[in-house]
Amino acid sequence: DQQVKQNSPSLSVQEGRISILNCDYTNSMFDYFLWYKKYPAEGPTFLISISSIKDKNEDGRFTVFLNKSAKHLSLHIVPSQPGDSAVYFCAARTEYGNKLVFGAGTILRVKS
Amino acid sequence: EPEVTQTPSHQVTQMGQEVILRCVPISNHLYFYWYRQILGQKVEFLVSFYNNEISEKSEIFDDQFSVERPDGSNFTLKIRSTKLEDSAMYFCASMWQINEKLFFGSGTQLSVL
Repeated sequence: DQQVKQNSPSLSVQEGRISILNCDYTNSMFDYFLWYKKYPAEGPTFLISISSIKDKNEDGRFTVFLNKSAKHLSLHIVPSQPGDSAVYFCAARTEYGNKLVFGAGTILRVKS
Repeated sequence: EPEVTQTPSHQVTQMGQEVILRCVPISNHLYFYWYRQILGQKVEFLVSFYNNEISEKSEIFDDQFSVERPDGSNFTLKIRSTKLEDSAMYFCASMWQINEKLFFGSGTQLSVL
């Protein structure tokens, strides 16, 4: 079951620069997308979401872009900070969907 | 901010033994979930629970698994006869209504020896 794919297992970025994390999906019934951040030995914490009726959602340093035709979304973090170092999961669900489908995650390392 | 609480944080058990993982979801939430993450793999959906019954379950959630909401606050996952491959981090999650964000607990690391 590879409905949500994060093809980059890891990403390393210099502090202050932009981090771009990518996610692709195959299920055209998905219409709500979320990014979660996870530190070791903790549960995933919600970061930002986007509905399929939008193509961009911004919250402080975090922006999510959605390209429905390409079935692709990305998370931009700018400027990146060392505290952003974590695993980032892309997740999706269908309208009135009962469950989230997660990608495999991308490890982000922000170097100071 | 309210949070989902899970106990214990670590559980070690022998193969074939029963384990019960416990969760206290956020108090006004109505939808409850169990997910798990095997080391190095993705977070996988196990089961969802609403209105005192299972609303959806994955193929992982076989007859060895069960969930219960025994009172107004706790939500438990029972594995009747654990297998080595059940070793994983188990996350409980809750949300107050459909289309809202899901809040996760910090997980129970289950090790089956």
